[in-house]
Amino acid sequence: AQTVTQSQPEMSVQEAETVTLSCTYDTSESNYYLFWYKQPPSRQMILVIRQEAYKQQNATENRFSVNFQKAAKSFSLKISDSQLGDTAMYFCAFMNGEYNNDMRFGAGTRLTVKP
Amino acid sequence: KAGVTQTPRYLIKTRGQQVTLSCSPISGHRSVSWYQQTPGQGLQFLFEYFSETQRNKGNFPGRFSGRQFSNSRSEMNVSTLELGDSALYLCASKLAGAVDTQYFGPGTRLTVL
Repeated sequence: AQTVTQSQPEMSVQEAETVTLSCTYDTSESNYYLFWYKQPPSRQMILVIRQEAYKQQNATENRFSVNFQKAAKSFSLKISDSQLGDTAMYFCAFMNGEYNNDMRFGAGTRLTVKP
Repeated sequence: KAGVTQTPRYLIKTRGQQVTLSCSPISGHRSVSWYQQTPGQGLQFLFEYFSETQRNKGNFPGRFSGRQFSNSRSEMNVSTLELGDSALYLCASKLAGAVDTQYFGPGTRLTVL
């Protein structure tokens, strides 16, 4: 069974600084997708970034980038130039295969950006 | 384009009752998935519907069921409610396959008394 582990329940960072959230996963599959979702206090889940396992290049979306280490089954999220609006729960998620929409989530990391 | 909408946003029921939650996906999206979010268990996948057929199912008892209509709108039903069913129920839609981005709705907060 696929599992997703986020070992940091809470983190904080000063505004404008950089923070890295950790995520590890376990799977025997070769074709899968990894995601980071953000859930602000308003509760609407928002996709931050996604990574296809077959792509070696790390995904980047503006201030958000990932460090995808396939052999180590690690998928960390780096947030650069942190902003107050980045304060939220961050969930790492795994989805296996092409049409299997059984998305597995980690327990989440609560990130607080301090002014 | 309008986002994923869920109704109602808040619901209070008592044990033993049944409840139906509704989800309207983004226009053109044919896949709708449901998730349960609780403080203890986190986010758990309930099921996914695609073109009116259940395509995937999570590990939940048969009290949890769903369906999808021809316009891709989906409903989720929970029968014989238990206290442990209190949760935020999230609906997410996508075009079709795993390559497509999944968009979440705001959720329905269900409280079982």
